[in-house]
Amino acid sequence: KNEVEQSPQNLTAQEGEFITINCSYSVGISALHWLQQHPGGGIVSLFMLSSGKKKHGRLIATINIQEKHSSLHITASHPRDSAVYICAVVMDSNYQLIWGAGTKLIIKP
Amino acid sequence: AAGVIQSPRHLIKEKRETATLKCYPIPRHDTVYWYQQGPGQDPQFLISFYEKMQSDKGSIPDRFSAQQFSDYHSELNMSSLELGDSALYFCASSPGAGNEQFFGPGTRLTVL
Repeated sequence: KNEVEQSPQNLTAQEGEFITINCSYSVGISALHWLQQHPGGGIVSLFMLSSGKKKHGRLIATINIQEKHSSLHITASHPRDSAVYICAVVMDSNYQLIWGAGTKLIIKP
Repeated sequence: AAGVIQSPRHLIKEKRETATLKCYPIPRHDTVYWYQQGPGQDPQFLISFYEKMQSDKGSIPDRFSAQQFSDYHSELNMSSLELGDSALYFCASSPGAGNEQFFGPGTRLTVL
């Protein structure tokens, strides 16, 4: 069983839809990253969370430490949001990042 | 704002050659991480440095070595390159271990 599980693996939606990507983990963590990777490979850090909720523009990330679960939400989705979204946890033992497999999001106009 | 800089962005080498990848962290970031992402795969942690000392080691082959210099930039040296080394190599930096990591654009290495 992978230490970090994301769902769904692939998601196609229409422009304007509310998007939710989920991440569950099984290891002890000090924090959790949500990252965005566009075709061509560049990785952008969207959020780093250790508790509660963060909001940046149309993006919202939440984490429930007790349930070992985090969600990334995108409101009013737009085709430019199309990318792979990766959940990565920071292990509390050695600060290494353990990566989820990513969710490939396609937003159609 | 300054970001993490990696050079070169693209590199083509032949088998058994050597390659050096460079990473320049965000100013005042003292921690550097290296990751390897093969085609269609998750990034894999290779090695990290804090204050010019190796802080952690992941799945880095013995053919690879890395170091962090006095100006905090880091270099990943890869020798006896194999076809399987073809990948995107990311560097990330953070202000201290365990803090938010900021990623560079990556170096795409192709081994022919």
